[in-house]
Amino acid sequence: GQNIDQPTEMTATEGAIVQINCTYQTSGFNGLFWYQQHAGEAPTFLSYNVLDGLEEKGRFSSFLSRSKGYSYLLLKELQMKDSASYLCAVMDSNYQLIWGAGTKLIIKP
Amino acid sequence: NAGVTQTPKFRILKIGQSMTLQCTQDMNHNYMYWYRQDPGMGLKLIYYSVGAGITDKGEVPNGYNVSRSTTEDFPLRLELAAPSQTSVYFCASSYSREGYEQYFGPGTRLTVT
Repeated sequence: GQNIDQPTEMTATEGAIVQINCTYQTSGFNGLFWYQQHAGEAPTFLSYNVLDGLEEKGRFSSFLSRSKGYSYLLLKELQMKDSASYLCAVMDSNYQLIWGAGTKLIIKP
Repeated sequence: NAGVTQTPKFRILKIGQSMTLQCTQDMNHNYMYWYRQDPGMGLKLIYYSVGAGITDKGEVPNGYNVSRSTTEDFPLRLELAAPSQTSVYFCASSYSREGYEQYFGPGTRLTVT
């Protein structure tokens, strides 16, 4: 079966750095996406990785290792507004997104 | 440019009732999707469309139907609502399928009692 694993909840301090991990087992791989979802709102796109390595976009970076079935999202200089759920999704061989359950990130002052 | 819009925002249905969730996008995207999101679980694909007149089943299509008569609109029909269909429903669209982000509507929170 297809499976995406990510931690259920993480806590971090304002101004700090946090790394959210995602491991996957899917039938085929056509890219990995990270989305942010604030409570009661729709997911919004953060990053896309299809090749191994690190993609940096401002305070957010995403890393991919296809051989290990592993990705992480790195958030730097955490702000209170970063409190949200972070969703990892893999595009499978049928070009459908398989979604993880999300990691709820709690930022404390 | 409104992006993806959905109506209604909230709805309570009785078991056995039917309803249509509306979805419209103004970005001229060919690809459109319907997902449901249940607490503690990842988004599940219900149906998707690759263009007007073309629809296909996703992972959890039972109890739902869709149509795509125009590029802009992709309504989701629930027939004979059941408590298991209590969920948050999101419509999304994308320019293409590979490598392109999906844009989501604000969601419809549906309760079936």
